[in-house]
Amino acid sequence: AQTVTQSQPEMSVQEAETVTLSCTYDTSENNYYLFWYKQPPSRQMILVIRQEAYKQQNATENRFSVNFQKAAKSFSLKISDSQLGDTAMYFCAHGSGNTGKLIFGQGTTLQVKP
Amino acid sequence: GAVVSQHPSRVICKSGTSVKIECRSLDFQATTMFWYRQFPKQSLMLMATSNEGSKATYEQGVEKDKFLINHASLTLSTLTVTSAHPEDSSFYICSANSGTSGGAVDTQYFGPGTRLTVL
Repeated sequence: AQTVTQSQPEMSVQEAETVTLSCTYDTSENNYYLFWYKQPPSRQMILVIRQEAYKQQNATENRFSVNFQKAAKSFSLKISDSQLGDTAMYFCAHGSGNTGKLIFGQGTTLQVKP
Repeated sequence: GAVVSQHPSRVICKSGTSVKIECRSLDFQATTMFWYRQFPKQSLMLMATSNEGSKATYEQGVEKDKFLINHASLTLSTLTVTSAHPEDSSFYICSANSGTSGGAVDTQYFGPGTRLTVL
């Protein structure tokens, strides 16, 4: 079975600074994907970034980047130049390449302070 | 692109009644849709996988007779909570595979969710 663990329930960062959210996972699959989703107060889930496990290169999307350590089963998210609009709950997720199912971590609530 | 809608956004019902929630992919065809349940300040828990034209696959512990799922077309899946009770009150979210990469590897795009309150 797949599991995803986010060990930081809450974090805060000053506007314009950088913050890193941690995520570890366990999987029995060889074909899988990893995601970070953002859930703002509206509760709409928004895709932040996606990483194919077979790719060694870390994914980046503008101010968002990941540090994917496959052997350590670690998948952290770095947010640079934090903005007030980044305030949200962030979920790390494991996606099965076989079934498409997503297994989510417990979430990290991030508050960006002005 | 890749927009998923849900209706209604909020519903209040009496105990013992049934409630239907619709999930639509607006600008793409979704052969697979997923239904999640989320309690306040908690994570999303997968309830079932809905495939167009076939029976839904339920996760362990989810009562299939209480949570009826129908995936009648490539753009519509419905979740019916039958004989709802206060403990069924929750936030229900659907998602659909984007269909851009082919099959299971597609990114899931999420609907805005439905808040169900059972009195």
